[in-house]
This record gives sequence, C-alpha cells and structure tokens, in this order.
Amino acid sequence: AQKVTQAQTEISVVEKEDVTLDCVYETRDTTYYLFWYKQPPSGELVFLIRRNSFDEQNEISGRYSWNFQKSTSSFNFTITASQVVDSAVYFCALSEGNFGNEKLTFGTGTRLTIIP
Amino acid sequence: DAGVIQSPRHEVTEMGQEVTLRCKPISGHDYLFWYRQTMMRGLELLIYFNNNVPIDDSGMPEDRFSAKMPNASFSTLKIQPSEPRDSAVYFCASSLERGIGTDTQYFGPGTRLTVL
Repeated sequence: AQKVTQAQTEISVVEKEDVTLDCVYETRDTTYYLFWYKQPPSGELVFLIRRNSFDEQNEISGRYSWNFQKSTSSFNFTITASQVVDSAVYFCALSEGNFGNEKLTFGTGTRLTIIP
Repeated sequence: DAGVIQSPRHEVTEMGQEVTLRCKPISGHDYLFWYRQTMMRGLELLIYFNNNVPIDDSGMPEDRFSAKMPNASFSTLKIQPSEPRDSAVYFCASSLERGIGTDTQYFGPGTRLTVL
C-alpha cells in the first residue's frame, strides 16, 4: 500500500526567509509519480509539479525548487525568499505507475504561514 | 481554456435531503475524479471514471452516495439522504490519458457542503 507522510503540520516563517516542506513516501512499485499541490486560503487546489520515479533531477521554477531523493524516499519542496502570497496548505501526493491506475494518495498537508 | 467547473460552490441543506453536486471536466480529458476533503480524513478519493465508465468506487462511503457520468462533459455526485457527517468540501478533478503513466489531475474550485 502506498503512503505519503508530511510530518510538519504547520510552519511559520518571516517573509523573505527560505522554507522547506518535507514529504516522505512509501511504495512497493518501481514506477511511480509524485506531485505537489498548493491550497491557498481561497480553497482551490493548484497543481505545482509532477515527477516520475525515473527522473531524480532536482527542479527549479522561480522561487520554488524540489529535491527528489529515492534513497530516502523523499520529495521535499523549498520556497526561497518566501512571500506572504505563499501562505497556503501544501500537499504532497503519490501515484503508482501502473497504466490505468490513476489513484492519488495525498499526505495530510503542511500549513505554511508567511509572517509579513 | 476553462478549467474544471463545479456547481454549486456552496450548498446548505438539512439532514435527510437529497444533494446533487455537478462537475464539468476540462474539455478533452479522459479521467474524472471525485474527492472529499474533511479536517478529520484529509483528501480522499471517492470514485473515478475513465471515458465515462466508473473504474474504482471503493472510496464511496456508503450506498447513500452515487455518482454518474452520462457524457464526457458532465458528472454528478448525489447524496441521498444527506447526513451532517457528509459536511465537507467536495472536489472534482480531471486528467488527460496520454499513456505515459499517471497524468496530472486538475482540480475544480470545490463545493462546500453543509448538512444541518
């Protein structure tokens, strides 16, 4: 069975600080997919990134970066120079790679508050 | 391009009433998902469809819940009769089948259901 753990329930940082959100996953599959979603106070779920298990290269998108390490089953998310607009709940999710199996397992989320 | 559309955005009803939630997926997407989000259980998948056919409904809590997808552009989630414990935010999501593994799910804005 697959599982996603986001051990940090809540994090608060002062604006402009860097912050890392942790995600640890469990799966028996060798092919799988990892996702991050953002849920701002308005409530919608916004897609941020999708990675497959064969691509361990770190990714950077503006102030956002992701560190994927299969050795530790982690897919951590870092926000550099945080801004108030980054305040949201962030979810990590996992899906097995079997074709046709589209089920996503979500972590419990990390509530990030950026203090101005 | 329009995203996933859900209606109503808010629904308040009394226990025992029938509730119908509606979803229009992104045009051309092959998969449609219904999720429920509560504080206690987080984000959980209820059911998903592929090409209008239900694939996995193991997350549907009980017989009071039913979902249909009569065509590629419309789906409903019905609760009859509703109970206070059904109060939650219900999300619809859709994704494209590209045959390269689990693709990204794009979420609608959600329907906040309150059952009194």
